[in-house]
Amino acid sequence: NAGVTQTPKFQVLKTGQSMTLQCAQDMNHEYMSWYRQDPGMGLRLIHYSVGAGITDQGEVPNGYNVSRSTTEDFPLRLLSAAPSQTSVYFCASSPNRGRPSYEQYFGPGTRLTVT
Amino acid sequence: AQSVTQPDIHITVSEGASLELRCNYSYGATPYLFWYVQSPGQGLQLLLKYFSGDTLVQGIKGFEAEFKRSQSSFNLRKPSVHWSDAAEYFCAVPNTGNQFYFGTGTSLTVIP
Repeated sequence: NAGVTQTPKFQVLKTGQSMTLQCAQDMNHEYMSWYRQDPGMGLRLIHYSVGAGITDQGEVPNGYNVSRSTTEDFPLRLLSAAPSQTSVYFCASSPNRGRPSYEQYFGPGTRLTVT
Repeated sequence: AQSVTQPDIHITVSEGASLELRCNYSYGATPYLFWYVQSPGQGLQLLLKYFSGDTLVQGIKGFEAEFKRSQSSFNLRKPSVHWSDAAEYFCAVPNTGNQFYFGTGTSLTVIP
């Protein structure tokens, strides 16, 4: 099992550009989520999905879109990049959407810089 | 809403010394609580979790944590720190459904 994979590892964007951060998991997990990590702020939830075709907003969803057409993939789209979106982005998955007792498995992260 | 607070932004300990990282939670009922570790440039890895029952929980890499309801705390401990333990540590609690709320993290430096 590869676990949770994220591409790219690093990305530099200009303000106004759009891009998609890819996330895939091969553990057949129902729950997937995207976080951003900023210094002194820990991890903040952007969007999450409890299964294919179902997505919802987290704490900081503005400027980001997601979709979940398959169980395996959960891409995060930046519609029009802004310097405030400079951050490290983590994708995570969890085996059961209905119970909070399951741990989350994290990808290695994507470091995004918006100039 | 459920939340966790990590009062210490940064801690420095000598190799071989004991370690305690603090985590306080805000939750109406008995919470599920988690500790994660993030090594430099890596994603987060689960160290241990508390659901119910025994309040002293053992995790990987020699870590343990104790749930204390009277103090609303779930502090992480290790009797003897190794240089490889230098990392950032996050306490977390589920919010609604499977949403997780992470603390702001404690950065650990280990001095040889």
